[in-house]
Amino acid sequence: NAGVTQTPKFQVLKTGQSMTLQCAQDMNHEYMSWYRQDPGMGLRLIHYSVGAGITDQGEVPNGYNVSRSTTEDFPLRLLSAAPSQTSVYFCASSPGKSVAFFGQGTRLTVV
Amino acid sequence: GQQLNQSPQSMFIQEGEDVSMNCTSSSIFNTWLWYKQDPGEGPVLLIALYKAGELTSNGRLTAQFGITRKDSFLNISASIPSDVGIYFCAGPTSGTYKYIFGTGTRLKVLA
Repeated sequence: NAGVTQTPKFQVLKTGQSMTLQCAQDMNHEYMSWYRQDPGMGLRLIHYSVGAGITDQGEVPNGYNVSRSTTEDFPLRLLSAAPSQTSVYFCASSPGKSVAFFGQGTRLTVV
Repeated sequence: GQQLNQSPQSMFIQEGEDVSMNCTSSSIFNTWLWYKQDPGEGPVLLIALYKAGELTSNGRLTAQFGITRKDSFLNISASIPSDVGIYFCAGPTSGTYKYIFGTGTRLKVLA
């Protein structure tokens, strides 16, 4: 009964490094999405996917890439980390085209 | 772009009191979602609303989809200490599956 699993839970990167945040769900949900949460700003949508092979940009997509090769996985790639990408990142999935279940988050610091 | 404004931003209440908060948009929404986030956790979906005028309850929580489709309300009756947290509203931007979030209402309950 894992739900939405995000790894890692914490990460420190140096400016310019790249990395992938992992997100996996075991509920066979079609819809998955990535948000970042900054203090006082709520959650902002980075990218989303309505099914395997289909992705689209959200409100703040710059500096991030995604792919959806399987229903279960939706990784988020930071191409060249910047201090402005310091944030808490949440992945979510849903059986319908909604945002129902969130993971525990990945706390990323870029120095 | 579209924004969701939540009011109030924060509130202190006494245990046992009823709580009301709202979420407004500059444009029409076809779905309203309400979430609660505890410290260090991902948001948890509380209530989903899909029709103008709809009133839906989940235990002590009641949410309403505004008639104008530009607002939604969440009420908590007889608050208890575990109601502490941040409450978010969310909805899909017009004609898309991009779910945007409000900036949240932080609730603190005084025992």
